[in-house]
Amino acid sequence: AQSVTQPDIHITVSEGASLELRCNYSYGATPYLFWYVQSPGQGLQLLLKYFSGDTLVQGIKGFEAEFKRSQSSFNLRKPSVHWSDAAEYFCAVFWGGTASKLTFGTGTRLQVTL
Amino acid sequence: EPEVTQTPSHQVTQMGQEVILRCVPISNHLYFYWYRQILGQKVEFLVSFYNNEISEKSEIFDDQFSVERPDGSNFTLKIRSTKLEDSAMYFCASRAADSNQPQHFGDGTRLSIL
Repeated sequence: AQSVTQPDIHITVSEGASLELRCNYSYGATPYLFWYVQSPGQGLQLLLKYFSGDTLVQGIKGFEAEFKRSQSSFNLRKPSVHWSDAAEYFCAVFWGGTASKLTFGTGTRLQVTL
Repeated sequence: EPEVTQTPSHQVTQMGQEVILRCVPISNHLYFYWYRQILGQKVEFLVSFYNNEISEKSEIFDDQFSVERPDGSNFTLKIRSTKLEDSAMYFCASRAADSNQPQHFGDGTRLSIL
């Protein structure tokens, strides 16, 4: 079955420190990959996406993610975290098809200490 | 930048009552989706809709649920007889025609069943 795993439920980092949020997916075919961010009480904002080509993709707010096919991973990174980055981060995968759904990971809650 | 809008932002309903959640997708999008997020859990797919019919639905989307696109702009989710376990945040999303385009999400409707 198709699944998305975010192994870290909660991460705390200091402001200015680097960040890496992990995401792994199952299933053999190469999917389309996304990271969304959700601030408390808010909707889901797209940070970045990967469809094909360069495996390192840049997104908004200084985030980037790298697709590694051999590891079935799409980890999100940011070199220097800001306090405003505190939120819930969801990895999502789309396995293709005309109207196929997104499958979400369970999310990683990021806390930023000053 | 065009966005998906959802109304109301918060709906409180008695158990057993019908509820309709409304969404206005981005105007040139052709694929429409509903997801839900029970408090503290991951975002789950409910249903996708294309060309005025359901494309795919999850096991959550039982006979109590229905979707409709009553006019050229609105996309609604109806829950016929609400249950306590329907309490969740419901997200609408839409996507353009190309499969390499991401889904854009609204800010959600928080549904509270009493």
